Amino acid sequence: DIQMTQSPASLSASLGETVTIECLASEDIYDILAWYQQKPGKSPQLLIYDASSLHTGVPSRFSGSGSGTQYSLKINSLQPEDFASYYCQNGLSAPLTFGSGTKLEIK
Amino acid sequence: QVQLKETGPDLVQLTQTLSITCTVSGFSLTTYNVHWVRQPPGKGLEWMGAMWNGGGTDYNSAFKSRLSISRDTSKSQVFLKMNSLQTDDTAKYFCARHYYDGYPYFDYWGQGVMVTVSS
Repeated sequence: DIQMTQSPASLSASLGETVTIECLASEDIYDILAWYQQKPGKSPQLLIYDASSLHTGVPSRFSGSGSGTQYSLKINSLQPEDFASYYCQNGLSAPLTFGSGTKLEIK
Repeated sequence: QVQLKETGPDLVQLTQTLSITCTVSGFSLTTYNVHWVRQPPGKGLEWMGAMWNGGGTDYNSAFKSRLSISRDTSKSQVFLKMNSLQTDDTAKYFCARHYYDGYPYFDYWGQGVMVTVSS
């Protein structure tokens, strides 16, 4: 199984700041990676797919990058609605696996 | 519009069988794949398995032979059945749609059903 190691587990930031979340795959996943946002009590929402493609309707302050085993999600100019948990997901091979999540909190 | 909705029990007894139904609208099960993902309270996401648009299935081996996924296309429903439930099966269970004809990313999710396994 492909392991997805996500960091940091939690992150505290202020409105307007830029933050980056990292995801390390245990093997090359050839950019077949997604990022999701999840707010408390809600279902996850797709943000980024294929490592860097922005899903329909997602604000352009979200961006994804990376290749091979190392990927990142960057959020520019944090807005109040961005404070949530974020997960990466391996889409290359079954079992599909998720990172353990990053909780982004307001400082 | 695209919707998925899970229905199932709130509480299941230890060692019993869990049955959840995912009813979809706004798309066809013969065109899109549907997956099951669960999330224990306060924890991360775990992929359980998939119902492919052609009628086949795929399972996370972590669930060994406990898990079964099926569908009724005439009712636009996908079913999850898992037996021999343990307390660590307590989780919110989601069904999610596979982003069209590409790699398995999930573009629409149900609201989830929280299932508690009680002894």
